[in-house]
Amino acid sequence: SQTIHQWPATLVQPVGSPLSLECTVEGTSNPNLYWYRQAAGRGLQLLFYSVGIGQISSEVPQNLSASRPQDRQFILSSKKLLLSDSGFYLCAWRGGGSTNEKLFFGSGTQLSVL
Amino acid sequence: GNSVTQMEGPVTLSEEAFLTINCTYTATGYPSLFWYVQYPGEGLQLPLKATKADDKGSNKGFEATYRKETTSFHLEKGSVQVSDSAVYFCALSPRNTDKLIFGTGTRLQVFP
Repeated sequence: SQTIHQWPATLVQPVGSPLSLECTVEGTSNPNLYWYRQAAGRGLQLLFYSVGIGQISSEVPQNLSASRPQDRQFILSSKKLLLSDSGFYLCAWRGGGSTNEKLFFGSGTQLSVL
Repeated sequence: GNSVTQMEGPVTLSEEAFLTINCTYTATGYPSLFWYVQYPGEGLQLPLKATKADDKGSNKGFEATYRKETTSFHLEKGSVQVSDSAVYFCALSPRNTDKLIFGTGTRLQVFP
């Protein structure tokens, strides 16, 4: 069966420090991978998505970047965190192709930038 | 750009009442449209989808019709149950992409 792992669950970082959130998927190959930020009143905001290794699409200009070094690994990064980067970050995957719309989410990371 | 707007919640209904959750979209071309549901403590599930104008998606009593002329995809159910209490997200996927863009979500609370 397929599972998705996301860590850490919570993170407190000072302004200006780097960030690395990791997400891995098991039990499937060539998934589409997504990073979302969930904020009150704004719902799920798509940050990045990837359809394959090294292929990253950015949806909003921001202080964050994403990478996909392996088929089932998706990393969200920042060189210098801002206060506005605080939020709840969710990794998600779904199978490729138009017939696979079920979306599986990780458990999320609550990031607090102080 | 591409965006989804859905009504703010919470929507509070009594059991067996009629449900409508409005969703409108902005997109270039003709996107695919979806309704996802998130039950407490669970991930998002796909109740229904529509891929072209006038398509009607349906699942477990829920229905939504892709209206190109009004750029809408309203979710309806004739008789809600307590077990339908959840957060409902309208979403779109632009044509020929794998992006999924969500609305803000609408919380539905159904009381017996």
